[in-house]
Amino acid sequence: EPEVTQTPSHQVTQMGQEVILRCVPISNHLYFYWYRQILGQKVEFLVSFYNNEISEKSEIFDDQFSVERPDGSNFTLKIRSTKLEDSAMYFCASMEGIMNTEAFFGQGTRLTVV
Amino acid sequence: DQQVKQNSPSLSVQEGRISILNCDYTNSMFDYFLWYKKYPAEGPTFLISISSIKDKNEDGRFTVFLNKSAKHLSLHIVPSQPGDSAVYFCAASGFYGGATNKLIFGTGTLLAVQP
Repeated sequence: EPEVTQTPSHQVTQMGQEVILRCVPISNHLYFYWYRQILGQKVEFLVSFYNNEISEKSEIFDDQFSVERPDGSNFTLKIRSTKLEDSAMYFCASMEGIMNTEAFFGQGTRLTVV
Repeated sequence: DQQVKQNSPSLSVQEGRISILNCDYTNSMFDYFLWYKKYPAEGPTFLISISSIKDKNEDGRFTVFLNKSAKHLSLHIVPSQPGDSAVYFCAASGFYGGATNKLIFGTGTLLAVQP
């Protein structure tokens, strides 16, 4: 069964460092998303990506965040200068279509900023 | 801005009985609702969904009911099994005003099915 894969599963980084979280969405999907879940809180939308550009972003997704799809298969989330409050589980998701379809999530990357 | 609410943080039921998980929403523009199941340290796994044009959708042991006038949906699991123990998230989406069908999640309900 096709699945969304994310690497690494766990990333520890020092405050102020840059991190790149990687995702391989399901191959025939067209819409890509990043969500995050801070420990004990709900899953929150960060950004959506379609046709090689950001289609929507939340207020969380400030200038420190960026996304790209460098090679047509990988989908990455970069945090330029990490803060302690960026510590969370980051989930990549993809959808085949835009109307009434479910999003498939990866296993997540646990980011710990120290 | 809690557009999707799950007011019960936890629920405990006996194996074989019915589990009923509830969810309320405030945004009348939502037109698609989903339930996800999540184990610790894993990503959410899609369980079942319902479009706003329906009031019920059934898939095996799982049934989702939608009451649009009350802005309420519920997930019924019958019969409950110990393997169903997980956190259940309600999520809503809507393709409106250029939005991109992002999911708005509730806070989750931890279901514990006792053997």
